Amino acid sequence: DGGITQSPKYLFRKEGQNVTLSCEQNLNHDAMYWYRQDPGQGLRLIYYSQIVNDFQKGDIAEGYSVSREKKESFPLTVTSAQKNPTAFYLCASSTGTAFGEETQYFGPGTRLLVL
Amino acid sequence: SQQGEEDPQALSIQEGENATMNCSYKTSINNLQWYRQNSGRGLVHLILIRSNEREKHSGRLRVTLDTSKKSSSLLITASRAADTASYFCATPHYGNNRLAFGKGNQVVVIP
Repeated sequence: DGGITQSPKYLFRKEGQNVTLSCEQNLNHDAMYWYRQDPGQGLRLIYYSQIVNDFQKGDIAEGYSVSREKKESFPLTVTSAQKNPTAFYLCASSTGTAFGEETQYFGPGTRLLVL
Repeated sequence: SQQGEEDPQALSIQEGENATMNCSYKTSINNLQWYRQNSGRGLVHLILIRSNEREKHSGRLRVTLDTSKKSSSLLITASRAADTASYFCATPHYGNNRLAFGKGNQVVVIP
């Protein structure tokens, strides 16, 4: 099956702890994205990557970090500097051939909760 | 920043009725997309309409685009309970080569 997987489905973070959310795709897409969604809100872009070993900050990058060492993988780390991390996190990918005009394919999401 | 803004924010209808939601945007665009999100799930792409198209159909979906008014509408005809979801419009954010999503319309279809 082709698609995007995210794990875990639920993640609990203790205060002061860093946690990493996984995102993997087998669609052979160059571009990958991380969004944060708060209840009743739209999507806010955290980070995006247009190609391996390169990524750019989105609108709310503070308190988050990413890496793009492989085309298939784009993990997101929520650091202890992110003081309000409780949210639904969505990963997406697109072909990367026409940025801003492409269909994005989304994973099922990870819900992060603070203990 | 979010460019697309949907209106109305929440809609409750009976099964079989039509549902219409709108999206406005601020800058010129080449295309506009609509996505659906079922509760607790990821978004699913529904339809893309280009700036040179005024209307586009996909099954029970009809999308219009009025570039002079910088607005788009999504019509779901003969709604079903399975159409219960949030619907988002997305426009190109050319400055950063990515999409800007609106805040979404929540649609509840009552069986």
